Amino acid sequence: SQQGEEDPQALSIQEGENATMNCSYKTSINNLQWYRQNSGRGLVHLILIRSNEREKHSGRLRVTLDTSKKSSSLLITASRAADTASYFCATDWQAGTALIFGKGTTLSVSS
Amino acid sequence: IAGITQAPTSQILAAGRRMTLRCTQDMRHNAMYWYRQDLGLGLRLIHYSNTAGTTGKGEVPDGYSVSRANTDDFPLTLASAVPSQTSVYFCASSGGGRGTGELFFGEGSRLTVL
Repeated sequence: SQQGEEDPQALSIQEGENATMNCSYKTSINNLQWYRQNSGRGLVHLILIRSNEREKHSGRLRVTLDTSKKSSSLLITASRAADTASYFCATDWQAGTALIFGKGTTLSVSS
Repeated sequence: IAGITQAPTSQILAAGRRMTLRCTQDMRHNAMYWYRQDLGLGLRLIHYSNTAGTTGKGEVPDGYSVSRANTDDFPLTLASAVPSQTSVYFCASSGGGRGTGELFFGEGSRLTVL
């Protein structure tokens, strides 16, 4: 079974708007990561947030983590057409043996 | 900068045939992983290896086998392919030795089993 589940499944916005994606997970984690996948390509790591962190920033990305609610959110500010991609959260599996991924949020940014 | 190289990039295969997907990394990462990606199901972990000489089963290991004879290579074998194994397969690696660090992905191998 998949640990993380992203919400919404799909999101369409205009350039300049903010995009927020959410991830919920089931069991305790060491860290949570977000990845991006452009169509037909491999996944690329965006940001990692540890279980003892509540918020982390990287450029236009802001990630929050609420371990009490077992949820995380990824905010992309001032979206650009180039942000069009699928975004996945990933969490620990079996005491950190590997990462498992949610089903992803497909973001479409139109100009 | 090569990173992770997967081969073939695409393959059409008859059901019942044996197929090996190749994965090579040049980052000297200890851990390597195989995932499959299917529409609507996201990525699912097939097998992993935390260090050369060791392997483990992931979420969906049935019908697949792996080996890790050295640090750089992590081939995935389908002994007798079935249509449900039609998917895009991604190899990944991590320098942390276990699954909690950043993963680096290859560009994928698209496999169609007829």
